[in-house]
Order: sequence, then structure tokens, then C-alpha cells
Amino acid sequence: DAGVIQSPRHEVTEMGQEVTLRCKPISGHDYLFWYRQTMMRGLELLIYFNNNVPIDDSGMPEDRFSAKMPNASFSTLKIQPSEPRDSAVYFCASSVGSSRTDTQYFGPGTRLTVL
Amino acid sequence: QKEVEQNSGPLSVPEGAIASLNCTYSDRVSQSFFWYRQYSGKSPELIMSIYSNGDKEDGRFTAQLNKASQYVSLLIRDSQPSDSATYLCAVLGNKLVFGAGTILRVKS
Repeated sequence: DAGVIQSPRHEVTEMGQEVTLRCKPISGHDYLFWYRQTMMRGLELLIYFNNNVPIDDSGMPEDRFSAKMPNASFSTLKIQPSEPRDSAVYFCASSVGSSRTDTQYFGPGTRLTVL
Repeated sequence: QKEVEQNSGPLSVPEGAIASLNCTYSDRVSQSFFWYRQYSGKSPELIMSIYSNGDKEDGRFTAQLNKASQYVSLLIRDSQPSDSATYLCAVLGNKLVFGAGTILRVKS
């Protein structure tokens, strides 16, 4: 299996622009997670889906952030409008389940820089 | 108080020594505990999981859990330069919460 796939790997944009990050989970995994990692705040869970349905979006920082999962093999995280404080590495992860024994597998991440 | 706390380090140990990484958590109903390793510029990778009190060994790695003290640790025996990375403690309650990570440097 190719693992979790994210695109783009790097994104540089200007403040105010719309940014869309993409994720393809591992086939057969029914949970998908979006994380953000910064030096200041570490790794934070933004939102997660189960069977394409958003379950917990309490970590989404503001209304500027939105996430969708139109099908089992694709998810997007959108920031509109982007701000310099959104600069971070965004990881997507997937797992077979969310129980105590289920391992989350992380994608390579998207490094976002907002100028 | 942060939900999961780790000493940020860096923790420096000589090659061949034992590295001891510690983590405390605040949610008493936490069920599962994980250690992830993250190399610079890479994504986190699971190296150990532990669910019950006591020790769990896997090769050079030993995870230790004490739920009464809300404490979990990771021991790395015979540390190698390739172990140099950031180690993230993660605790599963209602959701997986990560600590800020401890930077480990193994000096050859």
C-alpha cells in the first residue's frame, strides 16, 4: 500500500488567498484525521471523520477552516482566507478504527507558508 | 495544565546508553498510550503502544505505564545515533492528544 498521500507537499501563498490541502487515506481505513503542527502548539487534532462523516471538529480554529470528505478515498482541508498564523505543517492520518488498539498512520504532511 | 506533558529537552545521551523519556497526562479515563518517533521534517511514526499497567518490551524499546500516577515512559536501550529524533507521547481518551515532544540526541 502507498500509505497516506497528501498534496501538495509544500504550499506558499499570500495572506488572503484560499488554500486547499488534499489527502488520500489508506484503502480500507474508515477514520481520517487532520492535524496541524507548529513549534509553539505542537501537534493538534483539527477534525476527524468516520465513514466520511465529520465526528469532532472542535479543534478547527476558526470559521476560516473547513474540511470535507466526499468519499472514502479523498478529503480536503480548506483555509479561506489564509493568514500568516496559519503557517504550519498539516498532517493527514488514517486508521482502521478509533479504538484503543488502532494505529494512526500519518501522511508526509503539507508545509504551508502564508506570507 | 496541558493534557499531556513532556520535557522538551533536548535529552543528550552517549551512544550505547539508556535513554529515558517521560510523559504525564491529566485525563484519568485515558485508555491507551502511544509513543511516536518523528525525525526532523518527517511525519510521526508509531513505535510503541501500551494499554495496561506495567512494562511492555519490543526490541530495544520498553514502554512503562503507571495509571495511578498518570505517568508513561519510554526507555531506549543501547541508544544509537539513528535514534536521534523527537519522541511524542500520545494519550487516547475521547481523542488522541499529543504531547509537545522530547528531542533526543544520541552522541557517537
